Amino acid sequence: IVLTQSPGTLSLSPGERATLSCTASQSVSSNYLAWYQQKPGQAPRLLIYGASSRATGIPDRFSGSGSGTDFTLTIIRLEPEDFAVYYCQQYGSSPITFGQGTRLEIK
Amino acid sequence: QLQLQESGPGLVKPSETLSLTCAVSGGSISSSTYFWGWIRQPPGKGLEWIGSVYYSGSTHYNPSLKSRANISVDTPKNQFSMKLNSVTAADTAVYYCARQVGLGSVDVWGQGTTVTVSS
Repeated sequence: IVLTQSPGTLSLSPGERATLSCTASQSVSSNYLAWYQQKPGQAPRLLIYGASSRATGIPDRFSGSGSGTDFTLTIIRLEPEDFAVYYCQQYGSSPITFGQGTRLEIK
Repeated sequence: QLQLQESGPGLVKPSETLSLTCAVSGGSISSSTYFWGWIRQPPGKGLEWIGSVYYSGSTHYNPSLKSRANISVDTPKNQFSMKLNSVTAADTAVYYCARQVGLGSVDVWGQGTTVTVSS
């Protein structure tokens, strides 16, 4: 399954709302979709699994939604530490695949 | 708190075999809940799943690696390993070991190790 993330780059200001999209080339089984945040020089961090469940310790300003082929990560009230690259991942079908990433940058 | 630590050479020659090991601390690799995987990230690019192993030794691989990868588990040493043969410059990447919930999302990542393929 090919995952396409949009936009490639999103420029926003702290306090604003970010909406990141992940579109799958075919339906993701059981909505087995995850979102990760990666900062420069660091490993990715799990934010969302099962399309909408927040991982342990993730603030509630992060939320995931969607089903089938269309998924969204929403970050409300952006904090300075939220500016990073975000990846979606599907694990409903083998091979596990990742999207190409969305860079969230400070405007 | 479970931690993962990759180890292995940082430089590998073309056509040779890349070998990495991931040491698991703060928890048992023999948990029935998790798979243990390898994921890589070429410089400036996205993430690619290489494959995963269960504590029983059962494995799953990404077909894109064309059978060049082999992942194994050593439960007494609480570690797992990956070998990638016939490497080329395209295999240059940061390699992460990871804990996957089922064969799914990655909830624990190693810090990553940079491997360069060059003569």
